[in-house]
Amino acid sequence: EAQVTQNPRYLITVTGKKLTVTCSQNMNHEYMSWYRQDPGLGLRQIYYSMNVEVTDKGDVPEGYKVSRKEKRNFPLILESPSPNQTSLYFCASSLGTGAYEQYFGPGTRLTVT
Amino acid sequence: AQSVTQLDSHVSVSEGTPVLLRCNYSSSYSPSLFWYVQHPNKGLQLLLKYTSAATLVKGINGFEAEFKKSETSFHLTKPSAHMSDAAEYFCALGGAQKLVFGQGTRLTINP
Repeated sequence: EAQVTQNPRYLITVTGKKLTVTCSQNMNHEYMSWYRQDPGLGLRQIYYSMNVEVTDKGDVPEGYKVSRKEKRNFPLILESPSPNQTSLYFCASSLGTGAYEQYFGPGTRLTVT
Repeated sequence: AQSVTQLDSHVSVSEGTPVLLRCNYSSSYSPSLFWYVQHPNKGLQLLLKYTSAATLVKGINGFEAEFKKSETSFHLTKPSAHMSDAAEYFCALGGAQKLVFGQGTRLTINP
């Protein structure tokens, strides 16, 4: 089944404790992105990647890191999480350039206390 | 800059009546537009997309949307609401590299 997977689905952590949210897609897509969803704000892009070793900032990159060492994986790293990073996070992938739709993972709900 | 505005944060309709979810956009070039649906505790599922072909776009589950350039709108409609349509709906602009989302519209269906 073609899909985007994320792990963990739920995570509660404390301020300053480094964490990684994994994302993997099995569709051989070139593009991958991370979004965060906050009430009343919709989804906002954090980072995206156009291919292996090619990443760039989205609209809200502060406090986040990403890497793309393999085409299928695009982990999101929070080096020192803070409470304002409490959110619902979505990974997405897309086939190529232009008007291709993005396919979303099931989401990771992160709480930072 | 590109932006998307969903005009209603919450829409409530009775089962069997029409649904209208409104979306306006701003873009300096010809946009690609999408509607996604998010059921509780689920990811986003694509309902339909507009990519400069036909202005009336048909999607899954009986939904359709009409692109109106003169009004910079891309409203989502369905002739007859079903209980299973209760969800949050997002209008988005962009493509593979980036999507710009509206704030979302929560659709409630009354029995």
